[in-house]
Amino acid sequence: DGGITQSPKYLFRKEGQNVTLSCEQNLNHDAMYWYRQDPGQGLRLIYYSQIVNDFQKGDIAEGYSVSREKKESFPLTVTSAQKNPTAFYLCASSSTSGTGELFFGEGSRLTVL
Amino acid sequence: DQQVKQNSPSLSVQEGRISILNCDYTNSMFDYFLWYKKYPAEGPTFLISISSIKDKNEDGRFTVFLNKSAKHLSLHIVPSQPGDSAVYFCAATDNQAGTALIFGKGTTLSVSS
Repeated sequence: DGGITQSPKYLFRKEGQNVTLSCEQNLNHDAMYWYRQDPGQGLRLIYYSQIVNDFQKGDIAEGYSVSREKKESFPLTVTSAQKNPTAFYLCASSSTSGTGELFFGEGSRLTVL
Repeated sequence: DQQVKQNSPSLSVQEGRISILNCDYTNSMFDYFLWYKKYPAEGPTFLISISSIKDKNEDGRFTVFLNKSAKHLSLHIVPSQPGDSAVYFCAATDNQAGTALIFGKGTTLSVSS
């Protein structure tokens, strides 16, 4: 089945450690996105990529890094520079020739201890 | 500044009645609007969308209305069912290829039986 797979679903990290969240899609979509959800804050854009080897910062990119070496993959690294990393992270993808609809993964819950 | 605003954090409705969720936007370049539904610890799922060339779009129990002059849209759910209880996000885009969606903060709908 086509879709977006995020892993791990739950992750715990000590302060000062970097952690990488995986996102893989087999929908043949060109564009991929990372959003962060916090209670009462909605979905805020971290980074997005429209094509391989290119990506743009979103509204809250500080303390995060991404790479887009393959069309199917868009991993997100939460660095120790991110002041409030505990959140629910959502990866999404879309077709650049489509209507703009985003397809989301199931999310990854990161907790910093 | 929030470009997409959902001013009601929560809404409670009885089963069988109408649910009306509201959304306002400030960016006049937005020309495509979407509603997503989200359950806890899951990714959002697409519900319904509307292009700026229309003022209404209907899909079963769900209807979205767009008032461009007021920069306002609303989602009507009739009749409401307990399974509709979820967080509803309004999103907008200027529909450039691969452009990220801008989301509101969401409205939590509770439908009681």
